[in-house]
Amino acid sequence: DTEVTQTPKHLVMGMTNKKSLKCEQHMGHRAMYWYKQKAKKPPELMFVYSYEKLSINESVPSRFSPECPNSSLLNLHLHALQPEDSALYLCASSQGAGGGEQYFGPGTRLTVT
Amino acid sequence: KQEVTQIPAALSVPEGENLVLNCSFTDSAIYNLQWFRQDPGKGLTSLLLIQSSQREQTSGRLNASLDKSSGRSTLYIAASQPGDSATYLCAVSTSGTYKYIFGTGTRLKVLA
Repeated sequence: DTEVTQTPKHLVMGMTNKKSLKCEQHMGHRAMYWYKQKAKKPPELMFVYSYEKLSINESVPSRFSPECPNSSLLNLHLHALQPEDSALYLCASSQGAGGGEQYFGPGTRLTVT
Repeated sequence: KQEVTQIPAALSVPEGENLVLNCSFTDSAIYNLQWFRQDPGKGLTSLLLIQSSQREQTSGRLNASLDKSSGRSTLYIAASQPGDSATYLCAVSTSGTYKYIFGTGTRLKVLA
């Protein structure tokens, strides 16, 4: 099974709302990633968790808060977002160190109103 | 700082043509290079992974090559089909990190 699942598929939220994105994999991968992708642009790395610990934060604003409850789950908590945060949010996982083959989920399309 | 570019940015070809997509990177100290395809509004699908010690990888009609010394990778698609229409992205990782840097992408359209 090489599947990464993400929920929800679509999310519309106001600037004062709090919401969460969820990502799950059952491949035994020990690295999990959040990316942000704007239209017609490549994905931009936001966070990397390695063995359930945050290893990379690409200077992401604090209104985005990642969480890795266990080795299979990755959450992204959202609070007080801005309209410019509207994008496709992608989750990925890989086996281990050094950036092994990455598997991506289908993404969550986020619209901030 | 690693920079990854892809040429051409967009490509339109008739069905059946063989084609080559290019990926260039500025720092040759890479660990892996991975090619993906992305359909509009969808996630990324992994096509091929080339480790730094490898020169090429093949999967079906796809062949990817890697020349670290010149900072280049190519993705060769044989006998293109309309279903190949998508954006193709390359991404490189550096040794010891979990950080992938993505290229700018090539939007491919294969005409029936």
